[in-house]
Amino acid sequence: DTAVSQTPKYLVTQMGNDKSIKCEQNLGHDTMYWYKQDSKKFLKIMFSYNNKELIINETVPNRFSPKSPDKAHLNLHINSLELGDSAVYFCASSPTIAGASGGELFFGEGSRLTVL
Amino acid sequence: GNSVTQMEGPVTLSEEAFLTINCTYTATGYPSLFWYVQYPGEGLQLLLKATKADDKGSNKGFEATYRKETTSFHLEKGSVQVSDSAVYFCALSDRNNDMRFGAGTRLTVKP
Repeated sequence: DTAVSQTPKYLVTQMGNDKSIKCEQNLGHDTMYWYKQDSKKFLKIMFSYNNKELIINETVPNRFSPKSPDKAHLNLHINSLELGDSAVYFCASSPTIAGASGGELFFGEGSRLTVL
Repeated sequence: GNSVTQMEGPVTLSEEAFLTINCTYTATGYPSLFWYVQYPGEGLQLLLKATKADDKGSNKGFEATYRKETTSFHLEKGSVQVSDSAVYFCALSDRNNDMRFGAGTRLTVKP
């Protein structure tokens, strides 16, 4: 009964391949996110979806494509993987609080991607 | 745009020492402020939060006060334990649920 679950937890692949990471939340939240954490632990937002609609799309190469089939799922597909894509990718969700600043994020355990 | 600046680590303390990790922010409007903690091999989890000026968030002996006049949200703990060793992230969130994180501060507590 994990609140935010992402798969796979570890992914090792060759440069040039295409891979996907899946994320599901069972908290009933409206907003979901993808963050990238580099080797120095710096955490950078990539995308955010609210009720399947793209809200935040930071400067991310268009090789990265998020897909939200419903508000409980936000998947990340990466084409033509590069060495610099190696990182830990975190999915998160938050409730939408109308008329106030945002609520807290609930994070998955992360997916460590290694590109060889 | 919104941003968070926190003191660079790493920070190494002896058990029972006093901890301060500084955090300042830049934002329009009235964001909510958070401290998250990341233990080795895990995702981030909320440590404490404050949603308006002068609010104090507290949890597990950690405290932080939302100071609008100095745009700060410094994390403090009076007596750290070995189990507090982790990476700590200051963050802010605005009305659009746009959560921005600081660079993280690694804390190591030695027995």
